[in-house]
Amino acid sequence: GAVVSQHPSRVICKSGTSVKIECRSLDFQATTMFWYRQFPKQSLMLMATSNEGSKATYEQGVEKDKFLINHASLTLSTLTVTSAHPEDSSFYICSARAPQRTGTEQYFGPGTRLTVT
Amino acid sequence: AQSVAQPEDQVNVAEGNPLTVKCTYSVSGNPYLFWYVQYPNRGLQFLLKYITGDNLVKGSYGFEAEFNKSQTSFHLKKPSALVSDSALYFCAVRDGAGTALIFGKGTTLSVSS
Repeated sequence: GAVVSQHPSRVICKSGTSVKIECRSLDFQATTMFWYRQFPKQSLMLMATSNEGSKATYEQGVEKDKFLINHASLTLSTLTVTSAHPEDSSFYICSARAPQRTGTEQYFGPGTRLTVT
Repeated sequence: AQSVAQPEDQVNVAEGNPLTVKCTYSVSGNPYLFWYVQYPNRGLQFLLKYITGDNLVKGSYGFEAEFNKSQTSFHLKKPSALVSDSALYFCAVRDGAGTALIFGKGTTLSVSS
């Protein structure tokens, strides 16, 4: 099946710094990628939809200036958490959509655990 | 707006017994329904989906789900539970091609030996 990777898998940063998380589709081209956020023992909340070559579409309540998303190629999307604060600590999961495939249609990365101290 | 409800936070079942994890949905158009499983500190693994066709969908690891349009439900089932099935299960829906998945809150399945 299709593989989506995320890097890093775990990151600890100090309050006020910025952190970049990469999401890559390894064996397919992803025209659309999604970024989700998951708090402990809670559901995945959609943050934004990222289309290659265009600006991301953010969900209501998500600060686009704080969570910068770049989808520069068909295999890479990045999420940058700017001026991170402890309340940004969470599990961030990306998924990639491969319309040319007929399987699950969305493939999820393994997630990135962000801890802001 | 589309939404998904998983009414149970936790389901406990003994190994070898059948299990059911409940899910109801609300969409404006035809639903695309999914079940995913998540193990601790891991991403989501796809189990099965319903797009169209037979109401009973068979998926990975012996799981199946039944689409019931009149009850707007898509319950996950397995005839005989395994301890290794213990995990967090998410039901998800989208109302058409290209839209993101909307997830339920998740149900923790605990299978005891």
